[in-house]
Amino acid sequence: GENVEQHPSTLSVQEGDSAVIKCTYSDSASNYFPWYKQELGKRPQLIIDIRSNVGEKKDQRIAVTLNKTAKHFSLHITETQPEDSAVYFCAAKTDGNKLVFGAGTILRVKS
Amino acid sequence: SAVISQKPSRDICQRGTSLTIQCQVDSQVTMMFWYRQQPGQSLTLIATANQGSEATYESGFVIDKFPISRPNLTFSTLTVSNMSPEDSSIYLCSADRDTDTQYFGPGTRLTVL
Repeated sequence: GENVEQHPSTLSVQEGDSAVIKCTYSDSASNYFPWYKQELGKRPQLIIDIRSNVGEKKDQRIAVTLNKTAKHFSLHITETQPEDSAVYFCAAKTDGNKLVFGAGTILRVKS
Repeated sequence: SAVISQKPSRDICQRGTSLTIQCQVDSQVTMMFWYRQQPGQSLTLIATANQGSEATYESGFVIDKFPISRPNLTFSTLTVSNMSPEDSSIYLCSADRDTDTQYFGPGTRLTVL
């Protein structure tokens, strides 16, 4: 089955700097890759997603890139702000519309 | 997006008892899922709740321990049976409207003593 690896497990950046989180997946049939942000005690919130027919997608300060050949995708946050501090999860959609999640990255933005 | 609610939001239960968690979506959805999120961990899929048929369970999860109902296209329940302290976790439901995107409920925080 699908396996998703996520790195780094923790990331500390200075406010205003960029943050990059990387994920790799194993199943070449996976075709949808969402990113979720989860604040403490809250539900995971979808922040951006990308489908396998697209190489890059951007939404304001957030962008996602996908390399199908290498089977990896990345989340890029520019001009980080303290409110970006949270746990971020990548995921890959596999057969049966199931999502397999990465282990998560704790992002701390220091002001 | 879909608006998803769960009840209860939290509960403290005695070992050996069972708890049923309800998930309600504000509109009809094709797919509903149940996840477990242990403290400080990622989300693990328990099962896919199928409307009109038995749920599809992931490896490591069985129907006797986690019976699931899906009586219609907007509602599902997950029961955690014969609970032990190892079942203490957050249980989340999600829904997918055939657009790939899954939206999550607020979760149910379960503590088993």
